[in-house]
Amino acid sequence: QKEVEQNSGPLSVPEGAIASLNCTYSDRGSQSFFWYRQYSGKSPELIMSIYSNGDKEDGRFTAQLNKASQYVSLLIRDSQPSDSATYLCAVHRSPAGGGNKLTFGTGTQLKVEL
Amino acid sequence: EPEVTQTPSHQVTQMGQEVILRCVPISNHLYFYWYRQILGQKVEFLVSFYNNEISEKSEIFDDQFSVERPDGSNFTLKIRSTKLEDSAMYFCASSEVSNQETQYFGPGTRLLVL
Repeated sequence: QKEVEQNSGPLSVPEGAIASLNCTYSDRGSQSFFWYRQYSGKSPELIMSIYSNGDKEDGRFTAQLNKASQYVSLLIRDSQPSDSATYLCAVHRSPAGGGNKLTFGTGTQLKVEL
Repeated sequence: EPEVTQTPSHQVTQMGQEVILRCVPISNHLYFYWYRQILGQKVEFLVSFYNNEISEKSEIFDDQFSVERPDGSNFTLKIRSTKLEDSAMYFCASSEVSNQETQYFGPGTRLLVL
């Protein structure tokens, strides 16, 4: 079982629509959850972080976390062509001995079409 | 806005050669990380570093790899004898102290081993 799973896509949505990106994780001890955006050939750029169950909104982005279902999602409202990128779900569990590694999914490629 | 910087942006080397990748983390951050991303694959954790010692490392981070904070600003990754399979994008990241803290990524060094 993969530690962090995402549908690789591509997910195509028309401009102005809502894009919904999903992620599941296997480690129930995971504590923090992040969505990064990665343009081709570039580094991951933080979009959202979420730590507790429920929704967290920031502008056009809403992150949703359900720890019981081990599920994280990202909604992008009013999608723009500039949102076209690969979205990486990352999960963090701090081990008792220290260290803060992020475990990434393979990413979902989003294409916003004119 | 403070950011993580990395040099060089691109490095081409011959198999068996040593390479050193350099990073300058965000100045008030205390945790430092190296990740790598092989072309078309997910971002993978290599090592985390705190208080001048490795706090966690992955299976990838074998004896060929080492990290160092030679002064108050730089953080380096050394690969002693490069292999073809070391060709990847290497990202440095940093975060503040707390376990939930977001990791900010540098622009990456693209390493090509011939």
